[in-house]
Amino acid sequence: AQTVTQSQPEMSVQEAETVTLSCTYDTSESDYYLFWYKQPPSRQMILVIRQEAYKQQNATENRFSVNFQKAAKSFSLKISDSQLGDAAMYFCAYRDTSGSRLTFGEGTQLTVNP
Amino acid sequence: GAVVSQHPSRVICKSGTSVKIECRSLDFQATTMFWYRQFPKQSLMLMATSNEGSKATYEQGVEKDKFLINHASLTLSTLTVTSAHPEDSSFYICSAGGQQNSNQPQHFGDGTRLSIL
Repeated sequence: AQTVTQSQPEMSVQEAETVTLSCTYDTSESDYYLFWYKQPPSRQMILVIRQEAYKQQNATENRFSVNFQKAAKSFSLKISDSQLGDAAMYFCAYRDTSGSRLTFGEGTQLTVNP
Repeated sequence: GAVVSQHPSRVICKSGTSVKIECRSLDFQATTMFWYRQFPKQSLMLMATSNEGSKATYEQGVEKDKFLINHASLTLSTLTVTSAHPEDSSFYICSAGGQQNSNQPQHFGDGTRLSIL
């Protein structure tokens, strides 16, 4: 069974600085999808960024980028120029290509200090 | 873009009441929807996979008779918490989308905060 691990329960960053959230996963599949979701205090789940395992190029979305290391099964999220609105719980998630079920990590609570 | 609507957003009711939560895909058809439960400061825990026109698939440890799921159409799944008790108080979230062999993500409803007195 696939597992997703986020080893940082909490992280903090100064406004305008850069922070990296870590995520590792375990799978025997060669093709799959990885996602980062953000859950602010409103508890709405918001997609931040996605990555297809067959793509070597790291995905980027404005201030958000990933460092995808397939061999190491690592999928970290980098947030540049952090803003107060980035404060939230961040979840890393895995999905097989053969299904639509998501496997979530434990989450990392990000605090942004003014 | 794709939107999933979940209703109601908040329920407060007495112990023993049954509560129905609706999850609708607004601009796409969803043969599969997912129901999650989330405790404070914890991750989403998958309860069951809702399959249109067939029985739901429940995760281990989730009581089928307690959490009834109906997926009667391609745009609507419902979760009924039967005879709810205080320990059923939690945040429930549904999702839909992310079909096989597609990089399209799942889209989530805004969740339902259930409080049983």
